[in-house]
Parts: sequence; structure tokens; C-alpha cells
Amino acid sequence: DSGVTQTPKHLITATGQRVTLRCSPRSGDLSVYWYQQSLDQGLQFLIQYYNGEERAKGNILERFSAQQFPDLHSELNLSSLELGDSALYFCASSEGLVYEQFFGPGTRLTVL
Amino acid sequence: AQKVTQAQTEISVVEKEDVTLDCVYETRDTTYYLFWYKQPPSGELVFLIRRNSFDEQNEISGRYSWNFQKSTSSFNFTITASQVVDSAVYFCALSEPFSGSARQLTFGSGTQLTVLP
Repeated sequence: DSGVTQTPKHLITATGQRVTLRCSPRSGDLSVYWYQQSLDQGLQFLIQYYNGEERAKGNILERFSAQQFPDLHSELNLSSLELGDSALYFCASSEGLVYEQFFGPGTRLTVL
Repeated sequence: AQKVTQAQTEISVVEKEDVTLDCVYETRDTTYYLFWYKQPPSGELVFLIRRNSFDEQNEISGRYSWNFQKSTSSFNFTITASQVVDSAVYFCALSEPFSGSARQLTFGSGTQLTVLP
């Protein structure tokens, strides 16, 4: 158990819908990262927050957004969902900016 | 741009055999970090090791060992006396300093290791 929690574990929804994925980092970790894992794209970095501020953006679509709250939990919002958004979404956290990232169990999103 | 290549898509070995997973990376930075993660069938990503670019010492942890060679931009992972529980997808990843703060990981495509009893 990495100490990072993600909810929900599974999510099934329809095209055009909007969903919110939630992540609670390990106790004391200030940095939160979101990754997407799909069969065709592999594991890709989406976005990073550090102590409430956005620090880096990767291959994140404009339909996707995220935020980190004062209690350090983070949410990833996915809107206007398409079939191709079906993937495993991971949240990771790290103590600072130079430490290893610990991953949550992931949220498996299925868009029908 | 940074890139990680894991040329071995799938490897199959018989229990107790040694196996080496290859990882080759590309980076223009002199300071960077390399990682290995394990993804068992249950799906979670488990951190195995971090190595920084200034430390070329090889590391051994139980049956696991890592060979970092800066000259060939490689960070290979060896499992000695493999066990069925080692069956998983193994990812190599690279992290570069980015505007002095971010540490996003660039992952390789992964190597599926199957250890047969």
C-alpha cells in the first residue's frame, strides 16, 4: 500500500459526460501528479501540482482540468468524454520535487 | 526531449532463471533521475528504485540489481533466481529538472515479464 488513495476504483460512463476523479496524497506529500495509462499511448504525464499550485503540464487535453485543494487532495475533471478517454488514471504523490513518486491504485475509466 | 526505450516488449523465463530488463534513455540534461516501477496484474504501480545521474554505483537489493551506465545511457534491471511472483510489467522512467521545480516522469513502454513455474 503506497499510502496514496484514489476514488472511485472503477467508473463507467457515456460519451459526452463529465466525471471527477479524486486523489488523496500520502501524508506530508505536497506534490501531486496525474498520469493516464492507455494501450495505445502507454503511461503519459498529464499535470502536476505542488502545494496547491500548478507546476507542469504534459499531454493534457483542454477538456481535462485539475486542481489541488488546501488540504492537498486533488481532483481531475474530465469533460465531454470520448471513447478514446477510456484508460487507467493514476495519481502519484511525492514529498517534494526531487523525490520518488508513489502511485495510487488508479481509477479505471470506461467510456461507452 | 527526453525519451525512454524499453526494446523488450515481452520476456518469458522459467522460475529460478536470471533475467535482465533493458532500459535506454535520452536526455540533454546533465542532472536527471532514473526509476524502475513494477506493475503486477493487480494494476498498481510499485516503486522499486531511484538513481540520480551523479551516482553510477550499481545497486543490489535482495534478488534485484541495477546497472547504471552513463556512457551508454542505460539503466538495466536484473532479477536473480526469478520467481513466479515477479511476473509483472516493469517500467523504466526518467525525470529531468524542469523550470527548477517539476519532476514529471517519462516512462518507457514497459516490459512484460512472465515467470513460468
